[in-house]
Amino acid sequence: KNEVEQSPQNLTAQEGEFITINCSYSVGISALHWLQQHPGGGIVSLFMLSSGKKKHGRLIATINIQEKHSSLHITASHPRDSAVYICAAPSGGTSYGKLTFGQGTILTVHP
Amino acid sequence: NAGVTQTPKFQVLKTGQSMTLQCAQDMNHEYMSWYRQDPGMGLRLIHYSVGAGITDQGEVPNGYNVSRSTTEDFPLRLLSAAPSQTSVYFCASSYMGLAAIPSYNEQFFGPGTRLTVL
Repeated sequence: KNEVEQSPQNLTAQEGEFITINCSYSVGISALHWLQQHPGGGIVSLFMLSSGKKKHGRLIATINIQEKHSSLHITASHPRDSAVYICAAPSGGTSYGKLTFGQGTILTVHP
Repeated sequence: NAGVTQTPKFQVLKTGQSMTLQCAQDMNHEYMSWYRQDPGMGLRLIHYSVGAGITDQGEVPNGYNVSRSTTEDFPLRLLSAAPSQTSVYFCASSYMGLAAIPSYNEQFFGPGTRLTVL
């Protein structure tokens, strides 16, 4: 079992739809990153959250520390949202909190 | 700020050749790391550094060397390239933070290097 699991692996939506991507993690640290990887390959950080909810434009990220679960929501989706969305959790131990990454969710938004 | 830069963007090597992937950042970040990204797998940590002169292994270090002589630069060396090292390589950096746990801080990624080993 992967330490960080995302669902779904692939997601297709029509423009304007509300989108949810889920991330469950079994590593023991109470924080989570959401990243976006564009079709050209570049990776950008969207959120780092350790509690509650964060919002940036049409993107909303929530986390439930007790359940070790996080969701990324996109409201009013647009074709430019098409990308791979990756969650990553810091693991414990002495390695300066190594990040463990999920496999990514491929999102395609059609006009 | 240029952020995190990587060169080259693309590289084709023959088995047994050596090369260095360059990574530089201009944000004065203490923490720098190298990842590889393979189809169907998440990003995996190769090596990391918490400051000039300090490096350590990640989860897939075999076949790679690193050094950190300055805060800005963190090159990754492939000693003798193998087809299994065909991958996309990303360099990333972040602040260490007050708790000295960089994984709690925003990660800044370079554009990646696509490496093919024949």
